[in-house]
Amino acid sequence: EAQVTQNPRYLITVTGKKLTVTCSQNMNHEYMSWYRQDPGLGLRQIYYSMNVEVTDKGDVPEGYKVSRKEKRNFPLILESPSPNQTSLYFCASSLYWGAGGYTFGSGTRLTVV
Amino acid sequence: GIQVEQSPPDLILQEGANSTLRCNFSDSVNNLQWFHQNPWGQLINLFYIPSGTKQNGRLSATTVATERYSLLYISSSQTTDSGVYFCAVRRGTGNQFYFGTGTSLTVIP
Repeated sequence: EAQVTQNPRYLITVTGKKLTVTCSQNMNHEYMSWYRQDPGLGLRQIYYSMNVEVTDKGDVPEGYKVSRKEKRNFPLILESPSPNQTSLYFCASSLYWGAGGYTFGSGTRLTVV
Repeated sequence: GIQVEQSPPDLILQEGANSTLRCNFSDSVNNLQWFHQNPWGQLINLFYIPSGTKQNGRLSATTVATERYSLLYISSSQTTDSGVYFCAVRRGTGNQFYFGTGTSLTVIP
């Protein structure tokens, strides 16, 4: 089944403890992206990647890192999480950056205390 | 960035009714998509529609790129249509996607 898989679905952590949210797609998509969703603010793009080893900042990249060493994986890294990073995170992919529809992962609800 | 405005923000319908959701955007775009977020939080792509008209069952969408708006039509609504509908756009000169704040739809039996 074609899908984007995110892990974990839920995570509670403490301020400053490094964490990684994984994202993997099995559709050979070139374009991958991370979003956070907050009440009243909608979805905002954190980082995106147009292909392997090509990443760029979105609207809200501060406090996040990403890497794209393989086509299928696009992990989101929080080196030192803070409470303002408590949010619902989504990974998405599309065939290529120029066109086509997104496929979203199921989301990761992160709470930083 | 690009401004994306959706209307109405909230909508309550009786099952079987029709509705039209609107998305206005402030700049020319080369990618526009409509999504449905169900009550469990899952985001589903409904349409990739940078221009023209598409139909998928009871749903259809029209984008008039020259006038910078898109419409999503829901006919014969069902309770399973409840959730939040988002449009998202990418400007022709950039790589970032921008989402509207959504239309929250509740369909009552």
